[in-house]
Amino acid sequence: AQTVTQSQPEMSVQEAETVTLSCTYDTSESDYYLFWYKQPPSRQMILVIRQEAYKQQNATENRFSVNFQKAAKSFSLKISDSQLGDAAMYFCAYRSGTASKLTFGTGTRLQVTL
Amino acid sequence: EAGVTQFPSHSVIEKGQTVTLRCDPISGHDNLYWYRRVMGKEIKFLLHFVKESKQDESGMPNNRFLAERTGGTYSTLKVQPAELEDSGVYFCASSQVDWNQETQYFGPGTRLLVL
Repeated sequence: AQTVTQSQPEMSVQEAETVTLSCTYDTSESDYYLFWYKQPPSRQMILVIRQEAYKQQNATENRFSVNFQKAAKSFSLKISDSQLGDAAMYFCAYRSGTASKLTFGTGTRLQVTL
Repeated sequence: EAGVTQFPSHSVIEKGQTVTLRCDPISGHDNLYWYRRVMGKEIKFLLHFVKESKQDESGMPNNRFLAERTGGTYSTLKVQPAELEDSGVYFCASSQVDWNQETQYFGPGTRLLVL
């Protein structure tokens, strides 16, 4: 069974700085997808970024980028120029290429300070 | 376009009672998922509907949980009888038919507390 590990329960970053959230996963599959979801306080979870395992190029969405290391099974999220609105719970998730359910990590709570 | 909605937002019940959670997916989304997050732990998959059919219910914890999606629109998740360990946040998500390219859109969740 696939597992997703987020080893940082909480992280803090100053506004305008850069922060990296860690995620590792375990799978024996070669075809899969990885996701970062963000859940702001009292709001619904939204997709931040996704990565297809077959793509070597790291995904980027504005200030959000990933460092996808397939051999190491690592999928970290980098947030540049952090903003107060980035404060949220961040979940890393895995999806097999042959199934649609998501497997999540335990989440990292990100604080953004002035 | 309205997002995924869930009702109620919060529910507090006593052990042994019944609770029914409702999820309205985004209009036109055939895929509907239920997930659950127990306090401090990971979000876990419960089941997946494609229209009104259960595609995968491997995550349902036991037979006290019953999910339905009559007519392929909204879905309900009934817990009967509720136990203390059922407390958590229940999320619903939906996506369009082509799940291989899908993005799952999540609702705000229902916070269930069983006392």
